[in-house]
Amino acid sequence: NAGVTQTPKFQVLKTGQSMTLQCAQDMNHEYMSWYRQDPGMGLRLIHYSVGAGITDQGEVPNGYNVSRSTTEDFPLRLLSAAPSQTSVYFCASSYSGREETQYFGPGTRLLVL
Amino acid sequence: KQEVTQIPAALSVPEGENLVLNCSFTDSAIYNLQWFRQDPGKGLTSLLLIQSSQREQTSGRLNASLDKSSGRSTLYIAASQPGDSATYLCAVPGYSSASKIIFGSGTRLSIRP
Repeated sequence: NAGVTQTPKFQVLKTGQSMTLQCAQDMNHEYMSWYRQDPGMGLRLIHYSVGAGITDQGEVPNGYNVSRSTTEDFPLRLLSAAPSQTSVYFCASSYSGREETQYFGPGTRLLVL
Repeated sequence: KQEVTQIPAALSVPEGENLVLNCSFTDSAIYNLQWFRQDPGKGLTSLLLIQSSQREQTSGRLNASLDKSSGRSTLYIAASQPGDSATYLCAVPGYSSASKIIFGSGTRLSIRP
């Protein structure tokens, strides 16, 4: 199993550009989530999904969109990037919910100029 | 509102020492508590998950304890090695916040050879 994979590893965007951060898992996990990690702020939940077709907002959802058309994939879209979105983004998954062991991807480092 | 605190923020000890990392939480209504390790520039790796009904959980040289009534967990690392150097985070999935996991800000551990 590859586990949780994320692409790209690193990205530089200009303010106003859009992009999609990819996340995929091959463990047949129902629960998937996106976090951002910032110095001094820790890990903050952006969006999560409890299964295909079901998504919901986390703690800091503004400026981000998600969809979950398959069990395996959970892309995160930045519609109009802002410097405040400079961060490291992690995708995580678990078998069925937040109360289970979370498996994290390697992260995407995003710089918005 | 659940808050998770890890003190100290950084710790440096010589190789071979046994050490204890601390995690405290404000709301005792938890499913479980999870300990993670994060190496620089990498994602989080789950170390131990201790259920709310358990007092201890062990994996190799690691032992996690949980005292719900006092809102505390400790991660004990025996016979520390330079390879244990990393940031250790604890996380609590709570009952009260929908599908949210609250992370501590971590303890950065450095093992001196």
